[in-house]
Amino acid sequence: NAGVTQTPKFQVLKTGQSMTLQCAQDMNHNSMYWYRQDPGMGLRLIYYSASEGTTDKGEVPNGYNVSRLNKREFSLRLESAAPSQTSVYFCASSAYRGMNTEAFFGQGTRLTVV
Amino acid sequence: KQEVTQIPAALSVPEGENLVLNCSFTDSAIYNLQWFRQDPGKGLTSLLLIQSSQREQTSGRLNASLDKSSGRSTLYIAASQPGDSATYLCAVPPQEGGKLIFGQGTELSVKP
Repeated sequence: NAGVTQTPKFQVLKTGQSMTLQCAQDMNHNSMYWYRQDPGMGLRLIYYSASEGTTDKGEVPNGYNVSRLNKREFSLRLESAAPSQTSVYFCASSAYRGMNTEAFFGQGTRLTVV
Repeated sequence: KQEVTQIPAALSVPEGENLVLNCSFTDSAIYNLQWFRQDPGKGLTSLLLIQSSQREQTSGRLNASLDKSSGRSTLYIAASQPGDSATYLCAVPPQEGGKLIFGQGTELSVKP
């Protein structure tokens, strides 16, 4: 009954370092998403994947890349981390079509870039 | 462009009180609306999903309503408890593909 699993839970990076945030879901969902949450800014969509093999930019894609590895996994990569990318990152998944597109979220990755 | 607004931003009530949280959206062409709860430092927990064909959805002490024509949803919490203290967010998927547009949330504090 895992739902959406994110790793790692916490990470500290130095400016310019790279890292990949991992996300996996076990609900057979087609769609997966990456959000960031910042105080006073709410939740903002970085990238999403409507279905396996497709990815699209959200509101704030600059500085990030994504890979939809298979139906279960959707990773977010920071190629050269910047202090402005200090944030809490959430992965989510949902069905793609129809009225029952209930979204489920992971527990988040708290990233600090120094 | 869909915009979602939640008022008030913060709410403090004494234990036992019934309360209503509000969510409004600008584009009524939605498939559904979802309410979430977020505890400090934690992820989002799905509370209720109301499909566009429904007017209400209930789970325990929670009741969510949806009025597409007026672009509004409410989350009613009965007999509030200190454990209900959290931030409550509403979100809508404007198109197929499900990417959610979130409101800014209402931070609820229930005092013993």
